[in-house]
Amino acid sequence: DQQVKQNSPSLSVQEGRISILNCDYTNSMFDYFLWYKKYPAEGPTFLISISSIKDKNEDGRFTVFLNKSAKHLSLHIVPSQPGDSAVYFCAARRKGAQKLVFGQGTRLTINP
Amino acid sequence: EAQVTQNPRYLITVTGKKLTVTCSQNMNHEYMSWYRQDPGLGLRQIYYSMNVEVTDKGDVPEGYKVSRKEKRNFPLILESPSPNQTSLYFCASGAGGFFSEAFFGQGTRLTVV
Repeated sequence: DQQVKQNSPSLSVQEGRISILNCDYTNSMFDYFLWYKKYPAEGPTFLISISSIKDKNEDGRFTVFLNKSAKHLSLHIVPSQPGDSAVYFCAARRKGAQKLVFGQGTRLTINP
Repeated sequence: EAQVTQNPRYLITVTGKKLTVTCSQNMNHEYMSWYRQDPGLGLRQIYYSMNVEVTDKGDVPEGYKVSRKEKRNFPLILESPSPNQTSLYFCASGAGGFFSEAFFGQGTRLTVV
């Protein structure tokens, strides 16, 4: 039972354009969402998060949008840069729970 | 430098031979956890610890043990490894609450033959 789903295993975007990574979830009890970025041979690094009481959070080139009615969140990267090429994981936490539930990951490739 | 350190980075072992993967953090974090990453499944939590001597099961604890005798260390023990435990393992630490998995280690790639 995959409670957090990233349906696109890979995404290719041209440098300078917008990258949009999507994530869907099924558990309405999730109240905090995070995005992690992972380079090969390294551990995931935290990128940006959003609480369920908000619908948008922005940090520089990265913006996360949350649509609770659709149980959908997305990560926008503008403008995309070659260093953004990595695997991106979305994750969700249920209030009071001590674990993150991760999606399968999306491999983003930024082409020059 | 704030970091989570795992050892070893790579390990090939045989079925049934006990092994330990170490994890250490230098940030005085109370919360530590172990995850495994498998293709198509993302990261799944194995065990977590909210403080010294406090541990609990995650989603996939079967075949694993942990201990938390000191705040900085959280070793993962495989008493009798099997091939289905071949995976990429990550240790994480954080201050707790919403952002418990603040930092991840670099990963340990384990192959059980």
